Amino acid sequence: GESVGLHLPTLSVQEGDNSIINCAYSNSASDYFIWYKQESGKGPQFIIDIRSNMDKRQGQRVTVLLNKTVKHLSLQIAATQPGDSAVYFCAETYSSYKLIFGSGTRLLVRP
Amino acid sequence: DSGVTQTPKHLITATGQRVTLRCSPRSGDLSVYWYQQSLDQGLQFLIQYYNGEERAKGNILERFSAQQFPDLHSELNLSSLELGDSALYFCASSVDPTSGGETQYFGPGTRLLVL
Repeated sequence: GESVGLHLPTLSVQEGDNSIINCAYSNSASDYFIWYKQESGKGPQFIIDIRSNMDKRQGQRVTVLLNKTVKHLSLQIAATQPGDSAVYFCAETYSSYKLIFGSGTRLLVRP
Repeated sequence: DSGVTQTPKHLITATGQRVTLRCSPRSGDLSVYWYQQSLDQGLQFLIQYYNGEERAKGNILERFSAQQFPDLHSELNLSSLELGDSALYFCASSVDPTSGGETQYFGPGTRLLVL
């Protein structure tokens, strides 16, 4: 769905641990996927993307995995830091113009 | 900093009024997108412009309109405002969504409060 609000699922992790945030996308025809990070009062910030012809992509401390069979996307954050605390959204697009945002997940990093 | 700028940052107005939100895309980006984010609806796509022309419409009300100017900046006009229009309005830009440049970079948003 495209809704997010007060009842966001929350992932709480210890600083230094790895985080895994999951997302189920809606359209099997989607060909491009993006993870965004949104801090309170700010705009979504691009983290990493992946095209449908790939199943894994790595960035700095982040990895995105794509499983097209079950329409599932995950974001792995290594050695999670307090600055990683935010709401994370996955987004899909199949027509190169409209991003469909998934339900956000709030990541809380415990010191 | 994404390179996308939006003004104003905050806007407080009354029901029935009209406001204009402004967006300047990243240098070199041809496409501009507008999104609305409210607590109960999440991020909703409103409209897209590409090189001055409307390309796609999403869940945009008839009371809302937008345009993209020759210098590629865009304005979102909201009229006959209602309490439910209170939300964060984001602008995003991308290079060229038709040739692999789909990644959208978001501005800091305009927080609209309708009283």
